[in-house]
Amino acid sequence: DAGITQSPRHKVTETGTPVTLRCHQTENHRYMYWYRQDPGHGLRLIHYSYGVKDTDKGEVSDGYSVSRSKTEDFLLTLESATSSQTSVYFCAISPTLASGGSDEQFFGPGTRLTVL
Amino acid sequence: DQQVKQNSPSLSVQEGRISILNCDYTNSMFDYFLWYKKYPAEGPTFLISISSIKDKNEDGRFTVFLNKSAKHLSLHIVPSQPGDSAVYFCAAQGGSEKLVFGKGMKLTVNP
Repeated sequence: DAGITQSPRHKVTETGTPVTLRCHQTENHRYMYWYRQDPGHGLRLIHYSYGVKDTDKGEVSDGYSVSRSKTEDFLLTLESATSSQTSVYFCAISPTLASGGSDEQFFGPGTRLTVL
Repeated sequence: DQQVKQNSPSLSVQEGRISILNCDYTNSMFDYFLWYKKYPAEGPTFLISISSIKDKNEDGRFTVFLNKSAKHLSLHIVPSQPGDSAVYFCAAQGGSEKLVFGKGMKLTVNP
């Protein structure tokens, strides 16, 4: 299994509070991704990173920010959590960019976030 | 607008029979297609993939077929086993698109 961990695995928070989710990899892969999974929507890309300090927006980036200060860590921040951000969040990594390449992405175990 | 569509949310089959999971896409720039499998409380795991230069790829009990003219792919599982019960996601990439996932289909294989 690819070495990907996510923390916390579960979190309950209140509307308006800031939340940071952490993804940590030991594979030294260049690319890292944050997805959210919701019923009826499958997996949707929030943000991704193509190197240290290099990030870009995905399909559903509003309300989220990311940071990558080290190759192994990719942080997802909800500056002011809303109930619509209740979801399961997955981090993924790949050695090459998932665009026209042939490398699959490896996923972490997920973080279940509930915003009350 | 959804670029990758899995129109059936669920499928139930008997153990030993064939499971056929379908996926349609709209973006003609997609040139690589993948299937992921997901168990509850776990992250998705890669199952099988196919490049647009092929129309079939086989790996053990799993075969993916690609029909580019119809923008359609399917995953065949033969024979199906209870351990195959999971949610299956179709995904596609190519052009300027990162990996785009379908909504997923829940497969139940009954003993």
